[in-house]
Order: sequence, then C-alpha cells, then structure tokens
Amino acid sequence: GDSVTQMEGPVTLSEEAFLTINCTYTATGYPSLFWYVQYPGEGLQLLLKATKADDKGSNKGFEATYRKETTSFHLEKGSVQVSDSAVYFCALGSTGTASKLTFGTGTRLQVTL
Amino acid sequence: GAVVSQHPSRVICKSGTSVKIECRSLDFQATTMFWYRQFPKQSLMLMATSNEGSKATYEQGVEKDKFLINHASLTLSTLTVTSAHPEDSSFYICSAKRASGRVNEQFFGPGTRLTVL
Repeated sequence: GDSVTQMEGPVTLSEEAFLTINCTYTATGYPSLFWYVQYPGEGLQLLLKATKADDKGSNKGFEATYRKETTSFHLEKGSVQVSDSAVYFCALGSTGTASKLTFGTGTRLQVTL
Repeated sequence: GAVVSQHPSRVICKSGTSVKIECRSLDFQATTMFWYRQFPKQSLMLMATSNEGSKATYEQGVEKDKFLINHASLTLSTLTVTSAHPEDSSFYICSAKRASGRVNEQFFGPGTRLTVL
C-alpha cells in the first residue's frame, strides 16, 4: 500500500539557516503530494502541493519538487524564521476515488534566535 | 475560502459518557469528510471516511459502534465517541473535500481535544 517516510526530528536550526526535511514515498499510480504544517495546539494547514512529476510547489518561502525518479518530495526553505517552528507533515494523496491522504510521521522544527 | 470549523475545540468529560464533535465546511460543499485521530507527537491516523447521505467507511481496527459518524448534509459531519474512556483521550481532526474540487485536496479543521477523566 501507499506509505510516506519522513526524516525523524526534531530539527533544531538557528534563524536564517537553510532547511531541508526529507520525504520519500511509495505509491501506485500517480499520487498528489502535499506538505502540511501544524502549529502548536492547532490543526493542519496546507503549506504546498504538487500534483504531477516535476511540479514544484511553493509557499511562504518553502518549496518542494515532485521527483518521480527518486520518489521524493523534500521540503526546503532558504532562510528559516522563529515563526516557522512547527511540525511538518508530508502526505500523499491516492489516485483512487477514496481520495485518502497518507501521512508521514511528522518532523518537528524548532528555530532559535 | 475553504474554511472548516470544528466544535467544540476542547471537551472534558467523565468516563462512560458520550461526546459529539461537529465538523462544518463553512464556505463550500463537502461530498466527503474524513476523521483523523492524532496521538501526542505522532502523525494523523485516518479513522473513517464519511460521504454525505451514506454510511461511513471505517479503517481497519476502528470500532464503528464506538465512533459513530453521521454526514447529514453537504456541510456537516459529526463524530460521536460513545461511552468514552480515558484511552479515547486524543486530538480529533476532521477534513473536508470539496464537491467540485480537485481530487485529493482536503481542508482541515482546527481539531478537537478530548480529555476523558
């Protein structure tokens, strides 16, 4: 079945550092890929998405490219801020009618001054 | 657009009581809503998929008689935790898929934290 593997956290960075959170997936067909962010005590917010191979999703300085050849969707940001501290979830959307999302385990990012 | 609300945001109840959580799509119609459960510092676990006007589809290992789901309209789904016990304490999150939107794009509610004493 479908699965998503994320790098384990927590990831601790200084402000303005470069961020990479790795995500790889296993799926049949041509899934959509998502990054969601969860701030403390809140629900999930869609950060960015890509619906086909070679698509690049971007938002708020974050970006991720759908790489079918490596089955990856790594999240990157050139310069993180303290306000980016949150848990980041990589997710895969199935291509079937059920439209289920399969989530990775989440990666906690802590950005310090 | 695409706002999903949940009510209540927090609930504390005694063991043995039932608790109802509402999930509403405020500015769009949702043919499908999903209910997730999230344990501390863990990922979201899909509990069930609910389609308007039909019975919910539960994931393996989720007790349908324990977690009653009703998707009564295109903007409302409810999750009732029946005879709650402390092990049911968790963060419950719903999401909704637009009736006219792209496949697989879900919009999430802010979550409901349930504490069973």
